Amino acid sequence: NAGVTQTPKFRILKIGQSMTLQCAQDMNHNYMYWYRQDPGMGLKLIYYSVGAGITDKGEVPNGYNVSRSTTEDFPLRLELAAPSQTSVYFCASSPGLAELTDTQYFGPGTRLTVL
Amino acid sequence: GENVEQHPSTLSVQEGDSAVIKCTYSDSASNYFPWYKQELGKRPQLIIDIRSNVGEKKDQRIAVTLNKTAKHFSLHITETQPEDSAVYFCAARDTGRRALTFGSGTRLQVQP
Repeated sequence: NAGVTQTPKFRILKIGQSMTLQCAQDMNHNYMYWYRQDPGMGLKLIYYSVGAGITDKGEVPNGYNVSRSTTEDFPLRLELAAPSQTSVYFCASSPGLAELTDTQYFGPGTRLTVL
Repeated sequence: GENVEQHPSTLSVQEGDSAVIKCTYSDSASNYFPWYKQELGKRPQLIIDIRSNVGEKKDQRIAVTLNKTAKHFSLHITETQPEDSAVYFCAARDTGRRALTFGSGTRLQVQP
C-alpha cells in the first residue's frame, strides 16, 4: 500500500490565485482530515470527512473548501490565496470504524507559500 | 471543543538521561491520546498511544501515562539517544468531531 499520498510537494502561489491540494489513501479508511502546520507550531484541523459525501469544518476552515466524492480522495481547495495561508498542509486518514481504531496516518505534506 | 496544552516547549537532555513531556486536556469525554514524533521536514509519525481504559502503556524505551481524574497524560523516554531529537506532539481525540486536537509541540534535543 502507498498509504496516504499528497500532491504537489511544494507550491508557490501569488495572492488571489486558487489551487487544489490533492490527497488520496488506499487503505479503505472512512475518515480523512486536513491539517495545517505553521512554522514552529502544532497542527490545526481545517476540515474533516467521515465518509464519501460527508464533510465538516474543523478549527480553521475559512478560506478553504473540500469535497469527498469517493472514499479514496479528499481534495482541499484554496480560493483567493492570502499570505496567511502560507503553511505546510497535511492530509491524514483513519479507519474510523469504531471508537478504538482512530489511529491517524499522515501524508508527506504540501509546503505552500503565498507571495 | 477540546483544548490541549503541552509543556515544555523545548527540552534539552544529555544522552542516556530521561525526558518527560506533559500534556493536559479539557474534554473529560476524550478517550484516545496519541503521541507523534516529527523530524525536520517530515510528516508526524505515531510513536505510542493510550486509550482511556488504561493508565499506562510501555513500548521499549517509551512509556505514556494517563491520569483521567486530573486530565493529564505524559510521555516518558528513557535512555535517550541522539536520534530521539525531534519535535513531539501530544493529541487528544475531540469526541465531538472524531478528530485530534494537537498540543503545540516540544522540541527535544538530546546532546551526545
